[in-house]
Amino acid sequence: GQNIDQPTEMTATEGAIVQINCTYQTSGFNGLFWYQQHAGEAPTFLSYNVLDGLEEKGRFSSFLSRSKGYSYLLLKELQMKDSASYLCAVRSTGGGNKLTFGTGTQLKVEL
Amino acid sequence: DARVTQTPRHKVTEMGQEVTMRCQPILGHNTVFWYRQTMMQGLELLAYFRNRAPLDDSGMPKDRFSAEMPDATLATLKIQPSEPRDSAVYFCASGGLATPSEFFGPGTRLTVL
Repeated sequence: GQNIDQPTEMTATEGAIVQINCTYQTSGFNGLFWYQQHAGEAPTFLSYNVLDGLEEKGRFSSFLSRSKGYSYLLLKELQMKDSASYLCAVRSTGGGNKLTFGTGTQLKVEL
Repeated sequence: DARVTQTPRHKVTEMGQEVTMRCQPILGHNTVFWYRQTMMQGLELLAYFRNRAPLDDSGMPKDRFSAEMPDATLATLKIQPSEPRDSAVYFCASGGLATPSEFFGPGTRLTVL
């Protein structure tokens, strides 16, 4: 099976930087994904890592270490609209190449 | 702007009734997923299809749930009979060979009384 862990909640200040961590255990790793989900809305794709290292996309970056089973999502210059749930998801060949989602980290951005 | 569409967006029904949810994947996408999301369980995969063939429905209660893809532009999820514990948001997502990610529809919010 697969096990994905991420913090339940985080709070940060507008303009600051926040790092949301995700650890996973899986067989046949085939990619790690981050999704953003605002309350009452569908998850939207943010980033994808399949090789070790940092992927940068504007204010958002995602890092992966396959040997450590670890990823983080870095959000810079936080804005109030970044308040949302951030879902870490893993794709693995051992899981039939489907995505398995973590329970999400609820981020609250305060003034 | 290509999007996954789902109908209905909201459904309130009584226990024992049949519920049918529909999804139109993004044109050209060959993989379709059905997820259920609740506060307690988070996002759970119910079933998924590739090229209209069911690949995995191990997450779906077989006695009351069924998923089909009558054609490449339509996926359906049926619950018969529905129960209050089926109350959740049901998302459809689609993916294609050109993209590693899945794109989610707006969801169907189901309430079973």
